[in-house]
Amino acid sequence: TQLLEQSPQFLSIQEGENLTVYCNSSSVFSSLQWYRQEPGEGPVLLVTVVTGGEVKKLKRLTFQFGDARKDSSLHITAAQPGDTGLYLCAGAAPGTYKYIFGTGTRLKVLA
Amino acid sequence: NAGVMQNPRHLVRRRGQEARLRCSPMKGHSHVYWYRQLPEEGLKFMVYLQKENIIDESGMPKERFSAEFPKEGPSILRIQQVVRGDSAAYFCASSSGTGGGPQYFGPGTRLLVL
Repeated sequence: TQLLEQSPQFLSIQEGENLTVYCNSSSVFSSLQWYRQEPGEGPVLLVTVVTGGEVKKLKRLTFQFGDARKDSSLHITAAQPGDTGLYLCAGAAPGTYKYIFGTGTRLKVLA
Repeated sequence: NAGVMQNPRHLVRRRGQEARLRCSPMKGHSHVYWYRQLPEEGLKFMVYLQKENIIDESGMPKERFSAEFPKEGPSILRIQQVVRGDSAAYFCASSSGTGGGPQYFGPGTRLLVL
């Protein structure tokens, strides 16, 4: 059974601080997505990474896919209260469509 | 440029009643996925459908749950004889292709069983 473990589970930081969220598995994924979910809403796609070692930037967010395509990280620079939410990674095993979702990281950025 | 639409957003049912959840995928998307999310938990895959076909229902309970995606109209997730344990948020996602392509989620239906 494929599992995606995210760490930390909870994170509370002050505005302006940097943070990194990790998404780890023992399985290989053909692609990995990061989502942010706010209370009462559905997950919103932030980025898709498909190539081992790939780095993508989205304003203050930097996403990296591990060389072996088993892990990923999300780094946020100078966090803002608007970054508050549940961050989810989701991976698809090679040749499948079935997403395995990570356990989630709840981020709270205090003003 | 409508995204994935789900209705109703909130649904209250008494034990034993039926719940019908609807999902209209993004324009141009023919692949629909249903997920369930319990409070403080991640999303769990339930079923994957293409138009008129169930491709994978391995995540869906074998009893009381069914899903369809007809040629015309939205995808429907049906839960018969609901029990309290069915209370959860049900999300629909759609994509334009298979093989792990990006899935775009709707706002969800929050089902509460009294």
